[in-house]
Amino acid sequence: KQEVTQIPAALSVPEGENLVLNCSFTDSAIYNLQWFRQDPGKGLTSLLLIQSSQREQTSGRLNASLDKSSGRSTLYIAASQPGDSATYLCAVTFMDSNYQLIWGAGTKLIIKP
Amino acid sequence: ETGVTQTPRHLVMGMTNKKSLKCEQHLGHNAMYWYKQSAKKPLELMFVYSLEERVENNSVPSRFSPECPNSSHLFLHLHTLQPEDSALYLCASSQGERQGAGETQYFGPGTRLLVL
Repeated sequence: KQEVTQIPAALSVPEGENLVLNCSFTDSAIYNLQWFRQDPGKGLTSLLLIQSSQREQTSGRLNASLDKSSGRSTLYIAASQPGDSATYLCAVTFMDSNYQLIWGAGTKLIIKP
Repeated sequence: ETGVTQTPRHLVMGMTNKKSLKCEQHLGHNAMYWYKQSAKKPLELMFVYSLEERVENNSVPSRFSPECPNSSHLFLHLHTLQPEDSALYLCASSQGERQGAGETQYFGPGTRLLVL
């Protein structure tokens, strides 16, 4: 069964620190991997999409990496701010999933002022 | 209105009630989705519609009935639900229905459903 796992389920760090969120997946045959952000009472917002052929993607203070062979992705957030507080979700499109996204349960991030 | 909107935002219903969730997208997209998000669990894809035709139904109980009258509107009709159906129901849209093929999905804020 194809699964996506995110550990830890929750993380709290002081403002200004750099941090890494982790995502692991069970099958290296993927089309792409995406990171989303979810704020309370709001829907999900796509942050970064990494295609299978890519190793990383960057957007502002965010950098996502992909290592297919080990089944891992990381989301690096530089110089964290209280506004970064949210739940971060990882979703993978496996090659034999009929293009469906398989989701992790998310990491709830709290940045303390 | 822009993006994807959902109504109502909160809903409490008894197990014998019938209710409907509404989703509307203002993005000109061709595909729309219903997801269920339970506490501390991954999102579960329920239904996918492309150009108003259902293209995916992930073994969802028949007490959930989707309807897509046009490419901008999507409904989820609820009937005789169970307490374990309590969750956040999210609607999303994308340009095409191959949701994982690099196309970004745009999500609504969700409907928080409580079944008593």
